[in-house]
Amino acid sequence: KQEVTQIPAALSVPEGENLVLNCSFTDSAIYNLQWFRQDPGKGLTSLLLIQSSQREQTSGRLNASLDKSSGRSTLYIAASQPGDSATYLCAVNDYKLSFGAGTTVTVRA
Amino acid sequence: EAGVAQSPRYKIIEKRQSVAFWCNPISGHATLYWYQQILGQGPKLLIQFQNNGVVDDSQLPKDRFSAERLKGVDSTLKIQPAKLEDSAVYLCASSPTRGSLAGGRRKTYNEQFFGPGTRLTVL
Repeated sequence: KQEVTQIPAALSVPEGENLVLNCSFTDSAIYNLQWFRQDPGKGLTSLLLIQSSQREQTSGRLNASLDKSSGRSTLYIAASQPGDSATYLCAVNDYKLSFGAGTTVTVRA
Repeated sequence: EAGVAQSPRYKIIEKRQSVAFWCNPISGHATLYWYQQILGQGPKLLIQFQNNGVVDDSQLPKDRFSAERLKGVDSTLKIQPAKLEDSAVYLCASSPTRGSLAGGRRKTYNEQFFGPGTRLTVL
């Protein structure tokens, strides 16, 4: 059974600092990994999807890396802004999505 | 392109009552998913449909939960009777296709797109 862990559970940084969010998973036989953002009371917004054959994916200030062999993915958010405050979830797809519990980020103005 | 639509957005019921949620996926998306997200946890898959057929319902509590997607488009999820522990956000998602291991070659599992969710409170 796939287990997905996200550390830390919460993070608070001043505006402008770079964010590093970690995700680890137990079974490396995956098809892809997806990072989501969830605002309070809202659904999930897909940020990045990394296929199992890829090492990283970039979109604007976001960069996600994937190391299947070690069961890790990292989401980097450059030059954080207060609008980046949200919960970030990673999900591993090994025929179905298994989610971590998320990292709640607060960016202080 | 319109996103995944869900209704209602909020629902408060007494335990042992029944409730139903509705989902309309993105047009043309063959695969539809229902997830349960308990506060402080990641979403957990309840059921997955491919067109109007069930692909995976292994984590659906079938004694009280049921779901259908009769025409391969809209879907409803029902809880009857509800328990206190059913309080959660129910998320619907859709994706264009579902990958498979046809001929020993893996296909790509496509990105899932989520609706805004229905927040259920059971008192």
